[in-house]
Amino acid sequence: NAGVMQNPRHLVRRRGQEARLRCSPMKGHSHVYWYRQLPEEGLKFMVYLQKENIIDESGMPKERFSAEFPKEGPSILRIQQVVRGDSAAYFCASSTGLAGAADTQYFGPGTRLTVL
Amino acid sequence: QKEVEQNSGPLSVPEGAIASLNCTYSDRGSQSFFWYRQYSGKSPELIMFIYSNGDKEDGRFTAQLNKASQYVSLLIRDSQPSDSATYLCAVNIGSSNYKLTFGKGTLLTVNP
Repeated sequence: NAGVMQNPRHLVRRRGQEARLRCSPMKGHSHVYWYRQLPEEGLKFMVYLQKENIIDESGMPKERFSAEFPKEGPSILRIQQVVRGDSAAYFCASSTGLAGAADTQYFGPGTRLTVL
Repeated sequence: QKEVEQNSGPLSVPEGAIASLNCTYSDRGSQSFFWYRQYSGKSPELIMFIYSNGDKEDGRFTAQLNKASQYVSLLIRDSQPSDSATYLCAVNIGSSNYKLTFGKGTLLTVNP
């Protein structure tokens, strides 16, 4: 009965490199959400995906950030040409996608990205 | 006006006392309200959710919702040192039932 899985748990990149963060939703969940938590800041919504579809990416920075959730495999959050300001904890959450108010999101352990 | 506001604390209570955590939100159309607990360096863990006005109890936890006042609270009875964590209030903002907006959290310390 695995929960939401994320890897890697810790990622160190130098400025200008690419970061790829992976998320596998909880069994039975088909909806994935990515959040970012900056030091001393609250969790901020980034993007909401279903299989092969981006539903809402209103919280994603316009440049360098992209997300996908392919038919097979985990969801990927990709950050190109990382900068120091990208250093944060990135959390993935998943839900069943039930309509109405019953769709509860469960969080993975997070990936802590450090940009040197 | 911030969308979801919490007192950042720290809130310090003695072991066995009732801890009261408060949250206000700006969007009158919000329908879903969640409390998450986050230990330092860890991920948010769902404590409770509430959709209807009134109280909802689960063990030592009680969530209270007052939509007219745009206010949601979490009471922790018989507080334990293991309850020491940051408590995050999350609200769905706008017409979506998925886009959660989080407060910055209240740091709770339970002293033995």
